Amino acid sequence: AQSVTQPDIHITVSEGASLELRCNYSYGATPYLFWYVQSPGQGLQLLLKYFSGDTLVQGIKGFEAEFKRSQSSFNLRKPSVHWSDAAEYFCAVGAWSGGYQKVTFGTGTKLQVIP
Amino acid sequence: GAVVSQHPSWVICKSGTSVKIECRSLDFQATTMFWYRQFPKQSLMLMATSNEGSKATYEQGVEKDKFLINHASLTLSTLTVTSAHPEDSSFYICSARGAGAGANVLTFGAGSRLTVL
Repeated sequence: AQSVTQPDIHITVSEGASLELRCNYSYGATPYLFWYVQSPGQGLQLLLKYFSGDTLVQGIKGFEAEFKRSQSSFNLRKPSVHWSDAAEYFCAVGAWSGGYQKVTFGTGTKLQVIP
Repeated sequence: GAVVSQHPSWVICKSGTSVKIECRSLDFQATTMFWYRQFPKQSLMLMATSNEGSKATYEQGVEKDKFLINHASLTLSTLTVTSAHPEDSSFYICSARGAGAGANVLTFGAGSRLTVL
């Protein structure tokens, strides 16, 4: 079964600083990888995804992530954080099983942005 | 883009009552819908997978008789929390998977917060 680890529960960065959120996954084959963002009391919004091809993927809101198979990682990055980026970020891995894709989420990283 | 609507967004009920939460795909047909539960400050836990026209597949540890799921059409799935108790209070989120090019990406609803008094 697949699993996802987000080692950082809480990260604080200054507005304008760069950001990297870590994600490691465990899966026997090439996974489908996702990053979602959740604002308080809201559902999840897809930031970006990796299925195959170029290992550096661009997403919405200026985010990007790089798939590194050798490290089983899919870290999320943003060169300059904005105050509106404060939210909780979930890394997820999708695997096909029984005809449907089962998505497993990490425990999330809460991002705080200070002025 | 694909939109999933959940209703109600917040419901408060008395212990022992049943509550129904609806999940609708607004502009696409969702062959499969998923129901998640999220406890405060925790991740999303998959409760069940709902396929249109067939019985839902529940994850281990999820009570089928407690959380009734119905996926009667390609645009609607419902989750009914039967005889709700305070420990059922949680944030319930649905997601939908479309067909074709949209099959590999889940679109999430905004969630429904259930508070059982």
